Amino acid sequence: GENVEQHPSTLSVQEGDSAVIKCTYSDSASNYFPWYKQELGKGPQLIIDIRSNVGEKKDQRIAVTLNKTAKHFSLHITETQPEDSAVYFCAAIPYNQGGKLIFGQGTELSVKP
Amino acid sequence: DAGITQSPRYKITETGRQVTLMCHQTWSHSYMFWYRQDLGHGLRLIYYSAAADITDKGEVPDGYVVSRSKTENFPLTLESATRSQTSVYFCASSGQGPNEKLFFGSGTQLSVL
Repeated sequence: GENVEQHPSTLSVQEGDSAVIKCTYSDSASNYFPWYKQELGKGPQLIIDIRSNVGEKKDQRIAVTLNKTAKHFSLHITETQPEDSAVYFCAAIPYNQGGKLIFGQGTELSVKP
Repeated sequence: DAGITQSPRYKITETGRQVTLMCHQTWSHSYMFWYRQDLGHGLRLIYYSAAADITDKGEVPDGYVVSRSKTENFPLTLESATRSQTSVYFCASSGQGPNEKLFFGSGTQLSVL
């Protein structure tokens, strides 16, 4: 079955620095990789996603990269701001397991002003 | 208000009691989901539904029951609550597919004493 490992569990950066969160997955047939952001007291919100036929995707200050050979994908946040502080979850959908999202354990990002 | 709403926001119950968590969405999304969020485990799928009267088990369905008589409602019932079911429960919906672009509610924090 699919297993999604996410690192680090906590990350603290200075405002303006970059932040990188990494996830690995076990099922080579996985084909869709979303990232969700969860602010305190709220439900997760989709911020970016990537499919297996694409190596990189950008949306303003955030980007996601995918390495299918190594079976890992990463979230990159540049020029971090205090409002980026949140818990970030990666996820994968294994192709052959009914298409159910499997989430990583989450990364708590703290951006210090 | 439009969107996805969960009730109650907070719930305290005792072991052995039955408790129902409510979820309502106004988008007429076909897909609805129940997740539980626990420290160190990320988000784990309890049950999901592809349409009214169609439900299926997720990763951790034991001890839970769902129903979906109407497209907009997807209640989750704990038939006999246990302390291990103390968690934050999130309902989500999607109009684009079984696992794409999920919209989450604000969650229900459940404590079983």
